Amino acid sequence: AQSVTQLGSHVSVSEGALVLLRCNYSSSVPPYLFWYVQYPNQGLQLLLKYTTGATLVKGINGFEAEFKKSETSFHLTKPSAHMSDAAEYFCAVSNNNAGNMLTFGGGTRLMVKP
Amino acid sequence: NAGVMQNPRHLVRRRGQEARLRCSPMKGHSHVYWYRQLPEEGLKFMVYLQKENIIDESGMPKERFSAEFPKEGPSILRIQQVVRGDSAAYFCASSPGTGGGRSYTFGSGTRLTVV
Repeated sequence: AQSVTQLGSHVSVSEGALVLLRCNYSSSVPPYLFWYVQYPNQGLQLLLKYTTGATLVKGINGFEAEFKKSETSFHLTKPSAHMSDAAEYFCAVSNNNAGNMLTFGGGTRLMVKP
Repeated sequence: NAGVMQNPRHLVRRRGQEARLRCSPMKGHSHVYWYRQLPEEGLKFMVYLQKENIIDESGMPKERFSAEFPKEGPSILRIQQVVRGDSAAYFCASSPGTGGGRSYTFGSGTRLTVV
């Protein structure tokens, strides 16, 4: 069984500040890890994913995440927040043996203050 | 190449009516997944289908809910005798196949409101 925990359902940062959204997972097999962003009344857009190889993954819009197996974490960061980053962010896990279904965390709503 | 198309975008049903949600996957994608997002919650897996086959429906409620993906046409998620608790956003995703951590493409969702 897999699960994802996102610490902090709401995170508020100032424009230009560091963004850090936390994600911890549990998986009985090597995981594939994803971050998605959801803007109001829209679907999910893939930000980045980790499957194998380099543990630091770069995504769109300046976001990146680092897979840390020892900490079972996949935190999302961005050096400098923009107002346009305000959205809901979801961390998800899947594995090759599960038909590719995604298990999602509860989401973190990012607010960016001017 | 259009993305995953879901319709309708918004659907209002009275309690006891039926709701039909449609999903047309991306061209070339033969795998479809349905997820439900309750207010203020993350997405929960419901069902995984390939053409004419239900592969995994472990996330589907046992009653009133059904899904199909016929040889021709879109995938349909059907909810019979809707109740207030069915109010949610329903998202469809498609992928070209399984394995390798393939990431899907999500549709924009259907927001069902039961009144």
